[in-house]
Amino acid sequence: DADVTQTPRNRITKTGKRIMLECSQTKGHDRMYWYRQDPGLGLRLIYYSFDVKDINKGEISDGYSVSRQAQAKFSLSLESAIPNQTALYFCATSDPRTSPYEQYFGPGTRLTVT
Amino acid sequence: GQQLNQSPQSMFIQEGEDVSMNCTSSSIFNTWLWYKQDPGEGPVLLIALYKAGELTSNGRLTAQFGITRKDSFLNISASIPSDVGIYFCAGQLQWQAGTALIFGKGTTLSVSS
Repeated sequence: DADVTQTPRNRITKTGKRIMLECSQTKGHDRMYWYRQDPGLGLRLIYYSFDVKDINKGEISDGYSVSRQAQAKFSLSLESAIPNQTALYFCATSDPRTSPYEQYFGPGTRLTVT
Repeated sequence: GQQLNQSPQSMFIQEGEDVSMNCTSSSIFNTWLWYKQDPGEGPVLLIALYKAGELTSNGRLTAQFGITRKDSFLNISASIPSDVGIYFCAGQLQWQAGTALIFGKGTTLSVSS
């Protein structure tokens, strides 16, 4: 079984709809991250969380919100989706106790906003 | 925001050839990491580097943390078809608190047999 799972894997939604992307991990890591990947732009950080009570904005947080429901779960929400939020979204985790800079990624969610 | 300049953007090589790619920045980094992304998958960590000058190998892959702490390179020797994918460098800035990483834009590698 995968250590970091993301649901859904693919989603098509309409402009203005609210959508939630979910991430779960079984690695026992405290730190979790949400990234967005666009062709030719690499990975850009949206939000990150160092523990359940700690949420931080990343480089491109506008239009997104997150919720850390438990150590193992970190959700990304788009309150009112717009077409330029069409992208591949990745969740990642890391363990500050062993290798804090080594991040482990989920398989991604491909989101299309029409 | 801070930029990592990763080059080349893409490479088309023959099976068996060696490959070299690099990342540079005007800023100093504490950590460099190299990831590979297969089509339809998330990035997978290949090599992590923590000290200036450090040279680390993982099978046919070798990566180095530049002495100036502003660059890193990744070499792949004797390439094979399964090396196809996008390779990303990532780094953690010297002055940046926490463990958020900055990623390069990727090098897309194509290998013909």
